[in-house]
Amino acid sequence: AQSVSQHNHHVILSEAASLELGCNYSYGGTVNLFWYVQYPGQHLQLLLKYFSGDPLVKGIKGFEAEFIKSKFSFNLRKPSVQWSDTAEYFCAVNVNTGFQKLVFGTGTRLLVSP
Amino acid sequence: NAGVTQTPKFQVLKTGQSMTLQCAQDMNHEYMSWYRQDPGMGLRLIHYSVGAGITDQGEVPNGYNVSRSTTEDFPLRLLSAAPSQTSVYFCASSYDFGGEETQYFGPGTRLLVL
Repeated sequence: AQSVSQHNHHVILSEAASLELGCNYSYGGTVNLFWYVQYPGQHLQLLLKYFSGDPLVKGIKGFEAEFIKSKFSFNLRKPSVQWSDTAEYFCAVNVNTGFQKLVFGTGTRLLVSP
Repeated sequence: NAGVTQTPKFQVLKTGQSMTLQCAQDMNHEYMSWYRQDPGMGLRLIHYSVGAGITDQGEVPNGYNVSRSTTEDFPLRLLSAAPSQTSVYFCASSYDFGGEETQYFGPGTRLLVL
């Protein structure tokens, strides 16, 4: 079965620090990759997605992610975080054709201190 | 558009009680799904539907029933609630646009089973 690993469970950063959250998946075939964010008390929102093409994907709010097929990774980055980026971040993978059956990682809680 | 709506927001049940979590979307999406979110486990797919009258099981379907009589609605039924079903439940809807599908999540229902 496919699995998604997010190795950082909790991350604490100061404002303006750079962010990189790791995401690795276990599947050797074609994948669709996603990063979702959940702000406190809110529902999941899509940050960015990769289906094909340029492996460097830019999303909303200054986030980007790089798909490295050889490393089975899709790490999320942001050059300079803000207090408003405090949230939980989920990496997800779909390997299904047709309807997406998303497999989520366990999430990373990011706390940005002002 | 209201997007994906869920009711109720909070619910407390006693073991053995039954209830229905409501989910509706006004985006005319063909796909709908239910996930549960548990601490340290990310989101897991319970059931999904690829169209009215068509449903299928996800990763953790036991103890739950679904039906899809209309495009808009996708209720989740707990037949006999158990403490292990204490969780946050998210409904999502999506459509396939040119081979790319993006899931939109509702605000969630927090369920406590005593």
